[in-house]
This record gives sequence, structure tokens and C-alpha cells, in this order.
Amino acid sequence: NAGVTQTPKFQVLKTGQSMTLQCAQDMNHEYMSWYRQDPGMGLRLIHYSVGAGITDQGEVPNGYNVSRSTTEDFPLRLLSAAPSQTSVYFCASSQPGTDTQYFGPGTRLTVL
Amino acid sequence: GNSVTQMEGPVTLSEEAFLTINCTYTATGYPSLFWYVQYPGEGLQLLLKATKADDKGSNKGFEATYRKETTSFHLEKGSVQVSDSAVYFCALSDRNTGNQFYFGTGTSLTVIP
Repeated sequence: NAGVTQTPKFQVLKTGQSMTLQCAQDMNHEYMSWYRQDPGMGLRLIHYSVGAGITDQGEVPNGYNVSRSTTEDFPLRLLSAAPSQTSVYFCASSQPGTDTQYFGPGTRLTVL
Repeated sequence: GNSVTQMEGPVTLSEEAFLTINCTYTATGYPSLFWYVQYPGEGLQLLLKATKADDKGSNKGFEATYRKETTSFHLEKGSVQVSDSAVYFCALSDRNTGNQFYFGTGTSLTVIP
């Protein structure tokens, strides 16, 4: 099993550009989520999904969109990047009832 | 609501020193509690967990006990090594909110030889 994979590993954008951060898992987990990690703030939940076709907002959803068309994939879209979105983004997955989340290696995003 | 508070860092210790990283939580239900570790340049990895009061989670010499009376889950290790240098996150998972996770801000640990 590859676990949770994320692409790209690094990305630099200019203000106003759009992009999609990819996340995939091969563990057949129903629950997937996106976090951003900023210094001194820990991990903050952006969006999450409890299954294909179902998504919901987390703590900091503004400026981000998600969709969940398959169990395996959970892409995060930045519609118009802003410098405040410079961060490290982590995708995670879990199976309901097991309590443990599995994290991807992260995407380091810089918005100029 | 749910929240996790952990001690501020950074923490610097000499090799073989005793480690404690404090973590307290607020939860509306009966959460599961976790410690995750993040090594430089990597994602988070589960270090240990406890799912009910008085449970003790342990792994790689680290331990933490779920204390409902003090709403705490402090991480301890009797003798740290240089390879333990990392950022440690305390977290809770609440079944009442669909297993949503709530993380503390992280504590950076550096162990010097």
C-alpha cells in the first residue's frame, strides 16, 4: 500500500492564480480531510469528507474548494491564490470507528 | 466545544534526560486522545493513542495516560535520544462530530548529544 499520497511536494504561485492540490489514498478509507499547518498554530482543518459525494467545511474553509467523486481521491482547489494561503498542506484519511488518521507527506505552497 | 492545549516550546534537552510535554483538552463527549510526531520535512505519524479514561498509550519508550479527572494526556519518556528530535502534536478525536480531529499547536523538541 502507498498509503496517502500528495502531489505536488512544492509549489510556488502568484497572487490570483488557481491550482489543485492532489490527494489520494489506497486504503479504502471513507473519511478524508485537508489541513493547513502554520507556525505557532498547529494544524487547522480546511475541509473534510465522510464519503464519496459528501463534503463539509472545517475551521478555515474560505478560499478553498473540495469535491469527492471517488473514495480514493480528495483534491483541494485554490480558486484565486492569496499570500495568506502560503502554508504547508496535509491530507489525511481514516476509517470511521478506528480513530487513527493517516497523513500524507504534505505540499509546501508559497504564494507570492 | 472541543479543543486541545499543549505546552509551548521549543524544548531543548540533553540526551538521556526525562521528557514531559503537557497536554490538556476540552471535549463535549468522550474523545479518543492521540500523540502524533512530525520529523523534519515529513508528515505526521501516529505515536500513541488512548481511547478511554485511564488507558495508557505507549510506543518507542513514550507513554501517555488518559486522565479524565484532570482532562490531560501528558507525553513522557524516561530517556530521550537525539533521534527523538521532532515536533509533537497532541490531538483528540470526537465521535460526536464524525471523528473530526482537533490538534494542539505542537511542541518542538530538540535533543542535544
